[in-house]
Amino acid sequence: RKEVEQDPGPFNVPEGATVAFNCTYSNSASQSFFWYRQDCRKEPKLLMSVYSSGNEDGRFTAQLNRASQYISLLIRDSKLSDSATYLCVGGGTSYGKLTFGQGTILTVHP
Amino acid sequence: EAQVTQNPRYLITVTGKKLTVTCSQNMNHEYMSWYRQDPGLGLRQIYYSMNVEVTDKGDVPEGYKVSRKEKRNFPLILESPSPNQTSLYFCASSQRDRDVYEQYFGPGTRLTVT
Repeated sequence: RKEVEQDPGPFNVPEGATVAFNCTYSNSASQSFFWYRQDCRKEPKLLMSVYSSGNEDGRFTAQLNRASQYISLLIRDSKLSDSATYLCVGGGTSYGKLTFGQGTILTVHP
Repeated sequence: EAQVTQNPRYLITVTGKKLTVTCSQNMNHEYMSWYRQDPGLGLRQIYYSMNVEVTDKGDVPEGYKVSRKEKRNFPLILESPSPNQTSLYFCASSQRDRDVYEQYFGPGTRLTVT
């Protein structure tokens, strides 16, 4: 089983839709979790950190469920510019060692 | 401008010919890391470095070497490249006194080994 797993999608949604991605992790020792965004052929960029209490940044909400070992990303009111690949990341089992999920592709259409 | 730079951006080489991909950051970050990205496999960590002269293996270190002689530079060395090392490579860095995982990535190096 992969250490961090994501549904690769693709997710195709209309503008204005709400879409949610989940990511499961297998190592309960993982301490830190993040969502990165990657546009086609570009470098990943940090979207948001994921805290146990949940956190929100505008239209984006990230949550962590340690009991079930998954993290989620919710995007409300989708924009065309949200089209990208979303990568979940787990870390902390060994300081500095990070594991990325394979990414979820999102396409927002008019 | 704060950035991570990689060179070359594109490289086509032949099996067995040693190559080095350079990575440099101008943010005085202590932590640096190399990844490769392959379709269906996502980003996989090759090596990382917590500080000068401190390096550790990631998930896929076989066939690669790194060195960290200066804080700003973290070159990736392929002593004898093979076709299965054809991939998109990213270097990343972050501040150690902040969350080490909030990384800044370089633009990527697309390597083809024939």
